[in-house]
Amino acid sequence: GAGVSQSPRYKVAKRGQDVALRCDPISGHVSLFWYQQALGQGPEFLTYFQNEAQLDKSGLPSDRFFAERPEGSVSTLKIQRTQQEDSAVYLCASSSDRLGETQYFGPGTRLLVL
Amino acid sequence: GESVGLHLPTLSVQEGDNSIINCAYSNSASDYFIWYKQESGKGPQFIIDIRSNMDKRQGQRVTVLLNKTVKHLSLQIAATQPGDSAVYFCAEASGYSTLTFGKGTMLLVSP
Repeated sequence: GAGVSQSPRYKVAKRGQDVALRCDPISGHVSLFWYQQALGQGPEFLTYFQNEAQLDKSGLPSDRFFAERPEGSVSTLKIQRTQQEDSAVYLCASSSDRLGETQYFGPGTRLLVL
Repeated sequence: GESVGLHLPTLSVQEGDNSIINCAYSNSASDYFIWYKQESGKGPQFIIDIRSNMDKRQGQRVTVLLNKTVKHLSLQIAATQPGDSAVYFCAEASGYSTLTFGKGTMLLVSP
């Protein structure tokens, strides 16, 4: 498949654990985005990469959240010392457009923090 | 702002009817608008987009209408099918990339 893939699809963590969520964008896509989606809500922007550069991280809710895209393709969203309020679906999207307008989403990782 | 929580606005239609889903956007500077469809357990799927220099755009079975005067966007689905059942989100963007999503509307199509 040529779409955006994410892993794991489901993650259960104990409060205080660190988690790492992976995103494989569509090959060749310049722009990559992470969103957080709470149950019954629309996705909320977390951070944006253009190639390997993180151009906007204004949506990251705290310094426990960290994202990287070291080679400009695969990206990892890391959450340290997880809290119950971190429970959500984490969506990754990619775009071939530097302006990032037409974004294609992956299936998401559903994170449950107990 | 008010949180919809689990109680999404819901539109129930019969198969074959035309559906209209509405969205009010907030930023008068937004110049790009997108409709996404999200099925349970999946990521949002791009349906159709429109730029602010247009007021109507048509796709296959779908039409998006933009009224900038009242900051209103609508998605019309012709001959709605059971497979159209999903949550529909409008999203707006200004500047380079950040998408701001609306709260979503659940569309239920009965056979």
